Amino acid sequence: GAVVSQHPSRVICKSGTSVKIECRSLDFQATTMFWYRQFPKQSLMLMATSNEGSKATYEQGVEKDKFLINHASLTLSTLTVTSAHPEDSSFYICSYHTRTSGGLYNEQFFGPGTRLTVL
Amino acid sequence: ELKVEQNPLFLSMQEGKNYTIYCNYSTTSDRLYWYRQDPGKSLESLFVLLSNGAVKQEGRLMASLDTKARLSTLHITAAVHDLSATYFCAVKEYNNNDMRFGAGTRLTVKP
Repeated sequence: GAVVSQHPSRVICKSGTSVKIECRSLDFQATTMFWYRQFPKQSLMLMATSNEGSKATYEQGVEKDKFLINHASLTLSTLTVTSAHPEDSSFYICSYHTRTSGGLYNEQFFGPGTRLTVL
Repeated sequence: ELKVEQNPLFLSMQEGKNYTIYCNYSTTSDRLYWYRQDPGKSLESLFVLLSNGAVKQEGRLMASLDTKARLSTLHITAAVHDLSATYFCAVKEYNNNDMRFGAGTRLTVKP
């Protein structure tokens, strides 16, 4: 299957600082990537959809000024958590689709995740 | 809004037993996914179901999809301890690429 990497895998920061998480597709050029957040013992919640070369689309309730998404190339998307607070502590996972030759999105692959702890 | 309901949320099984996890969704969908997540890890793709009546099997796991009933099942046959994990179903609406997840089923297989 396709490979997605995330960096860092784990980060601990002080409240008020900003943290950047990188997501790379290693063997596929992804026009669309997805960012999810998962709190302990909960499901994955879609935060935003990141489109290469254009602005990200955010889900309702997700602050776009707090979670900055940049998808500058077909292989790299970044999520920056600005002025992080303890309630932002979570597991952040990026993902992208593969697309069949007919243009339909088919399988979705997930990065290994980044565990953010804000003290 | 697409809603995905999964049950049970918690499942404790004896080794060797069979059980089924259910995934119901609320709107028209043409893509249904099952994932496994181990503690502290990301998601591992298990099955992608793309059509009504689709059935896929891998080892002790078998997934099926009934688009008319808006129901997918993940059946576990003769469970072993290594299957202990959290299992998620996820659905994409027709013509929409956003993926919505069920709440997950935390499976524990006891010897």
